[in-house]
Amino acid sequence: AQSVTQLDSQVPVFEEAPVELRCNYSSSVSVYLFWYVQYPNQGLQLLLKYLSGSTLVKGINGFEAEFNKSQTSFHLRKPSVHISDTAEYFCAVSEWGGYNKLIFGAGTRLAVHP
Amino acid sequence: GAVVSQHPSRVICKSGTSVKIECRSLDFQATTMFWYRQFPKQSLMLMATSNEGSKATYEQGVEKDKFLINHASLTLSTLTVTSAHPEDSSFYICSARDSDSYQPQHFGDGTRLSIL
Repeated sequence: AQSVTQLDSQVPVFEEAPVELRCNYSSSVSVYLFWYVQYPNQGLQLLLKYLSGSTLVKGINGFEAEFNKSQTSFHLRKPSVHISDTAEYFCAVSEWGGYNKLIFGAGTRLAVHP
Repeated sequence: GAVVSQHPSRVICKSGTSVKIECRSLDFQATTMFWYRQFPKQSLMLMATSNEGSKATYEQGVEKDKFLINHASLTLSTLTVTSAHPEDSSFYICSARDSDSYQPQHFGDGTRLSIL
């Protein structure tokens, strides 16, 4: 079974500052890794995904994440945030070999202040 | 890009009524659809997985007679909350993926269900 831990429930940051949202996972098998963003009263939008290959993946809206197998981490980063990045961010895993059910972390609320 | 439409976006109804939520894939064939429930300020909890033409697979603790799922076509899945009560009030989100296993799930915009 897989599990996902998002270490920070809330991350406040000033506009144009860099940010890192942390995600660690646990699994006995290889996994796919994802980051999703959720704006208020909306569904989830895929930011980026890691399937295989290069451990640094780039996504939409200037976000990137790095897969670290030895530390079982998949932290999300952005060098300079905007007010519009304020949202809930979810890290998720699914078992390798197919897009089966997603296991989500508890979420991190990113609050960007002017 | 792949679009998943969920309807209605918000519904308010009296206790004891049944509510149907639709999830449609607009530009791809969704062989698998997922239904999630999200409580305020919490993560998504998978309720069930449905494959077109077969019975849904429910997660542990989810009442299949309470939450009826139908996936009769490759573009439509429905979730019916039967005899809804205030404790069923929540945000329900569907997602869909097609037969290409290298494509991720695409999410609908969710349905806010409020039972009075």
